[in-house]
Amino acid sequence: DVKVTQSSRYLVKRTGEKVFLECVQDMDHENMFWYRQDPGLGLRLIYFSYDVKMKEKGDIPEGYSVSREKKERFSLILESASTNQTSMYLCASSWTENYGYTFGSGTRLTVV
Amino acid sequence: ELKVEQNPLFLSMQEGKNYTIYCNYSTTSDRLYWYRQDPGKSLESLFVLLSNGAVKQEGRLMASLDTKARLSTLHITAAVHDLSATYFCAVEWETSGSRLTFGEGTQLTVNP
Repeated sequence: DVKVTQSSRYLVKRTGEKVFLECVQDMDHENMFWYRQDPGLGLRLIYFSYDVKMKEKGDIPEGYSVSREKKERFSLILESASTNQTSMYLCASSWTENYGYTFGSGTRLTVV
Repeated sequence: ELKVEQNPLFLSMQEGKNYTIYCNYSTTSDRLYWYRQDPGKSLESLFVLLSNGAVKQEGRLMASLDTKARLSTLHITAAVHDLSATYFCAVEWETSGSRLTFGEGTQLTVNP
C-alpha cells in the first residue's frame, strides 16, 4: 500500500513562529499536494508540486510556502504563523497516469 | 475557477432509509472522486468515476456521474449506523498538472 506520512499528528505553535509541516510518500509519486481543511469549507488546496523543485499555487497560497527538494518529500512552511492558520492540514500524493490520490493522516495545527 | 457544491451539507436519517447526496461542479471534467472521512481521521477513497454514465457500487453506496449535467450522486440504500461520516466529492481538472477541487462535504448521521 502507498503510504503518505505526515510527521506530526498535533502541533501547537505561537503566533509569529516559523512552522514546518513535513510529508513523505513511499511510492515514487510525481505529484504532491497540501490542503487545509476547515469545517464547512471542505478541503482547499494550498500548493502542489508535480516534480522535484517545481511548485504551483493552489487556491489559498497566501501566508504559506513549500519546498520539494526530493521526490518523496514535500514540506509546507508557515513563515510567520498566525491564529487564522489554525486548521487541519492534509498532504496527498498521486501519479500523473493513474487515477488515485492517497492522503496522509493529517496534522492538526493550533496557533496560539 | 472550478466550483464544486454538495447538498445537503447535513443529513440526518434513520436506519433503513434511502437517500441521495448531490455533487454539482462548474466546469468540464471527466473524473470525479468520492471520499469518506470519519471524525479525526484522514480521507478514505470510496469511488473514482472516470466517464459519463459511470456507475459504481460498493455495499450500500452507489455513485454515478453525468458529465453533461456536471452532476454526480452518491446514493445510500438502507442506511446503517456505520455509514455515519462526512462524505466529500472532488473533481479532478487540469491546469498545470492535475489537481482536485473538493466540495464542502456532507455530514451524514444515521440514527437507530
